Amino acid sequence: GIQVEQSPPDLILQEGANSTLRCNFSDSVNNLQWFHQNPWGQLINLFYIPSGTKQNGRLSATTVATERYSLLYISSSQTTDSGVYFCAGIRSNDYKLSFGAGTTVTVRA
Amino acid sequence: DAGVTQSPTHLIKTRGQQVTLRCSPKSGHDTVSWYQQALGQGPQFIFQYYEEEERQRGNFPDRFSGHQFPNYSSELNVNALLLGDSALYLCASTLAGDRYNEQFFGPGTRLTVL
Repeated sequence: GIQVEQSPPDLILQEGANSTLRCNFSDSVNNLQWFHQNPWGQLINLFYIPSGTKQNGRLSATTVATERYSLLYISSSQTTDSGVYFCAGIRSNDYKLSFGAGTTVTVRA
Repeated sequence: DAGVTQSPTHLIKTRGQQVTLRCSPKSGHDTVSWYQQALGQGPQFIFQYYEEEERQRGNFPDRFSGHQFPNYSSELNVNALLLGDSALYLCASTLAGDRYNEQFFGPGTRLTVL
């Protein structure tokens, strides 16, 4: 399968700060998703973004498909943004989502 | 709009036992995938079911098997449990029309093997 590299592995923020999470893929993907895993383990869909830019409130994401990477932006972070963020993708002729190891975000009040 | 549901929420078993986990897909979805997430890691693909057949399988031993029912719900069975099978098991559903469609996850079943 494809290799998915996420950076940084850990991020500590003060409330109100902005941050950028990055996801690199070893191969082209036709599906790219960002998730937030809550403390109970549920993966919450943030973005489905095989290419282009999307925004949802304080979160936005950009995928540059030709260069095989995606960025997740968190603006004006809040303590509720804490948790693990995963990116995942499906390459051509495949059905499975391949996940990165995640970025653990801690937002301090 | 009903989301993906899984049962049970938690499960404790002993080595050598067998376990069955259940998943109901999101309303309107017909494809179910299962993932295993060990502590501190990203989810790993186990297999995907569509039209009651296993369509793709990840790198998991034959002790892991599954089934999909005509109503699209699915079961994951694990035989001869090992300590290393302790993990969060996640079910995801999607529409089969496009293999690259967005996948949605259930809340997971946390399995502990003692």
